[in-house]
Amino acid sequence: AQTVTQSQPEMSVQEAETVTLSCTYDTSESDYYLFWYKQPPSRQMILVIRQEAYKQQNATENRFSVNFQKAAKSFSLKISDSQLGDAAMYFCAYRKDSNYQLIWGAGTKLIIKP
Amino acid sequence: DSGVTQTPKHLITATGQRVTLRCSPRSGDLSVYWYQQSLDQGLQFLIQYYNGEERAKGNILERFSAQQFPDLHSELNLSSLELGDSALYFCASSVGGPYNEQFFGPGTRLTVL
Repeated sequence: AQTVTQSQPEMSVQEAETVTLSCTYDTSESDYYLFWYKQPPSRQMILVIRQEAYKQQNATENRFSVNFQKAAKSFSLKISDSQLGDAAMYFCAYRKDSNYQLIWGAGTKLIIKP
Repeated sequence: DSGVTQTPKHLITATGQRVTLRCSPRSGDLSVYWYQQSLDQGLQFLIQYYNGEERAKGNILERFSAQQFPDLHSELNLSSLELGDSALYFCASSVGGPYNEQFFGPGTRLTVL
């Protein structure tokens, strides 16, 4: 069975600095999708970034980028120029194929220090 | 706003009771997913429907059931409620296809007293 592990329950970073959140996963599939979701105090789940396993190039969305290491089954999220609004729970999620459910990590609480 | 609506926003009930949570997917989305998030934990997949048919089942208790109606809205029924069922219940929808991003509703906060 597929599993997703986030080993950092909490991370803190100074405003304007860079922080990296870790995620590892276990799967025997070769094609899959990986996601980072943000959950602010409002509890709304917001997609931050997505990576298709068949793509070698790391995904980037403005200040958010990933380091996808397929062989190591690692998918870390880098947030550059951290802002106060980035404070939230961040969840890593895996999806086997197009119509499959998401499998979630336990989350990392990100604290931004002003 | 994701376009997915969930009602009610909050629900407080007693042990042993039955409740129904409702989800309306984004216009055009055929798939509906239900997830449960207990306090400060990740989400657990419960069940998925595609165009009215059950597509996949996760860790859904026998006391829970769901359905998707012809207009594609979905309902999650929770019965014989226990204290441990208190959680945030999310509905997500997707259109299908290779990218198939799941869009999440705002969730229903269920409190069982």
